[in-house]
Amino acid sequence: QVQLQESGPRLVKPSETLSLTCTVSGDSLNDNYWTWIRQPAGKGLEWIGHIYISGNINYDPSLKSRVSMSVDTSKNQFSLNLTSVTAADTAVYYCARGLDIVTGYYRAHWFDPWGQGTLVTVSS
Amino acid sequence: SYELTQPPSVSVSPGQTARIICSGDALPKQYAYWYQQKPGQAPVVVIYKDTERPSGIPERFSGSSSGTTVTLTISGVQAEDEADYFCQSADSSGYLYVFGTGTKVTVL
Repeated sequence: QVQLQESGPRLVKPSETLSLTCTVSGDSLNDNYWTWIRQPAGKGLEWIGHIYISGNINYDPSLKSRVSMSVDTSKNQFSLNLTSVTAADTAVYYCARGLDIVTGYYRAHWFDPWGQGTLVTVSS
Repeated sequence: SYELTQPPSVSVSPGQTARIICSGDALPKQYAYWYQQKPGQAPVVVIYKDTERPSGIPERFSGSSSGTTVTLTISGVQAEDEADYFCQSADSSGYLYVFGTGTKVTVL
């Protein structure tokens, strides 16, 4: 059974960097797209981006200038850094496994499973 | 930026059928997925690739697709189905992913 668990500081000051780590058990990071998604309180889900072991990295354009992701295969972990945070970055942050299947012309990409999520608050 | 639109809420009596529609311009060319999220929990996929149901998801959950809309149908709704439901797909490039605005299903 694949499980993901987020960890990192729950409180970050404005203008500083938000850093989170996701520890994966039951699967190798050598396959699949390792993904970060966030959800502000009472709002919808926002895809932040993903990283693939080959170095394929893709970020949401609205966050691209502030986001970086990395993978540590020795620890079976992947990480998120979000710089210059503001109150608008306060949210529950989820890590998830991105499943990707290409069949002919069509490409399927969805998220399963997800970590339990961690609330990160940006406040001084 | 690309958007997927859902109704904010759907109310249904136990045993009845709930239908949630998700609209998006790229849906004719991209698969859609549906997630169920209960309060304080992470989302769980209930439908993938428009119509496929993961193992462990009850048969009362089904998905369909037609043009620029996809639909999640919950037949014979049970109290435990009360949750938020989000659709998800990709933009026309196929490489940027977006979630729908979310629909709260209330079981009366």
